[in-house]
Amino acid sequence: SQQGEEDPQALSIQEGENATMNCSYKTSINNLQWYRQNSGRGLVHLILIRSNEREKHSGRLRVTLDTSKKSSSLLITASRAADTASYFCARGTGNQFYFGTGTSLTVIP
Amino acid sequence: EAGVAQSPRYKIIEKRQSVAFWCNPISGHATLYWYQQILGQGPKLLIQFQNNGVVDDSQLPKDRFSAERLKGVDSTLKIQPAKLEDSAVYLCASSLFVGGGYEQYFGPGTRLTVT
Repeated sequence: SQQGEEDPQALSIQEGENATMNCSYKTSINNLQWYRQNSGRGLVHLILIRSNEREKHSGRLRVTLDTSKKSSSLLITASRAADTASYFCARGTGNQFYFGTGTSLTVIP
Repeated sequence: EAGVAQSPRYKIIEKRQSVAFWCNPISGHATLYWYQQILGQGPKLLIQFQNNGVVDDSQLPKDRFSAERLKGVDSTLKIQPAKLEDSAVYLCASSLFVGGGYEQYFGPGTRLTVT
């Protein structure tokens, strides 16, 4: 399968805690991207990390990429109830994207 | 800047009926995508256009699905006849090259229910 796999499938944490979700993939990439999807909505682009980068930050988000292990992780620090959503990784090759199965994050106020 | 527009937002049809979805990408974005997202799964690419040419339609069920992008701007996706398993959210996206890679921008999606 060209799709990635997110782990865990579901995650529930208390507000203020950190949330970590992982993504594994099987084939080569130009970049890896993370998206958020709130219930009933379209996907929102969060962050892009290129294949030659190892770590990237954006606000409370931190993404790491290990191309030798074909894996990436997304860390959300100091979580908020508004972070409740599904998170997807997408393997990017050129301008084509292959999505994983997603992690459903619930942040309890 | 206006985002990706899609219509309708919701559609309920009976099996064997036909349905069409419309997408208007962000102005200037040459690449347009249609995805199918079944509940609890990630988006699956159905078809990708570069301007008005098809780049990838390998996962499009061509016996019932068709798509076009006339003049390289708006696009329509049609299902005829619909099956129960076509119930899903149909997402349209367009992409732009930004600092090292293409970033996709998604529309709100059309939720299709086939009864």
